Amino acid sequence: DIQMTQSPSTLSASVGDRVTITCRASQSISSWLAWYQQKAGKAPKLLIYEASSLESGVPSRFSGSVSGTEFTLTISSLQPDDSATYYCQQCNSYPLTFGGGTKVEIK
Amino acid sequence: EVQLVESGGGLVQPGGSLRLSCAGSGFTFSDHYVDWVRQAPGKGLEWVGRTRKKTNSYTTEYVASVKGRFTISRDDSKNSLYLQMNSLKTEDTAVYYCARAGGRYSAFDIWGQGTMVTVSS
Repeated sequence: DIQMTQSPSTLSASVGDRVTITCRASQSISSWLAWYQQKAGKAPKLLIYEASSLESGVPSRFSGSVSGTEFTLTISSLQPDDSATYYCQQCNSYPLTFGGGTKVEIK
Repeated sequence: EVQLVESGGGLVQPGGSLRLSCAGSGFTFSDHYVDWVRQAPGKGLEWVGRTRKKTNSYTTEYVASVKGRFTISRDDSKNSLYLQMNSLKTEDTAVYYCARAGGRYSAFDIWGQGTMVTVSS
């Protein structure tokens, strides 16, 4: 199985800060990686697909990038509405696997 | 409106069975993969499994922890996906989501609201 190691597990930042979350795959997954945002008690919401493509309707402050097997989700200017848990997911091979999640808190 | 709606969750004893349903609307159900994903209380997301489309003979994939106990099926004529869960264990307690993917390598772009399954005596 492909392991997705996500870091940090929690982070606290101020409104307007640039925030970066990293996800490392245990083997090559090409660019078959997605990022999701989940708020408490709600279903996940797709933010980024194929490592760097922004889902329709998602604010442009969210972006994704890849270097080898390391994937990054960046929020360019953190907003109060961004308080949530973020998950990466590899879509390359079965079983599909998720990272452990990053909880983002607003200071 | 494109949506998925799960139903069938509830309380079941260890060793028991439960069948979940997921109804799709607002899109051509048969053209999409629709998977099951679960989330134990306070934990992260875990993919449960997938049934492929008719063009792929409705073949299935499962995570190892449910293989042999869970069965996923779909009825495209009813725009519905099912999860038959047998020999349930306490560790199967979770919110179960169905989620849509456009293709083999696609992300999940539409999620249902989830249905809670509690396995407890």
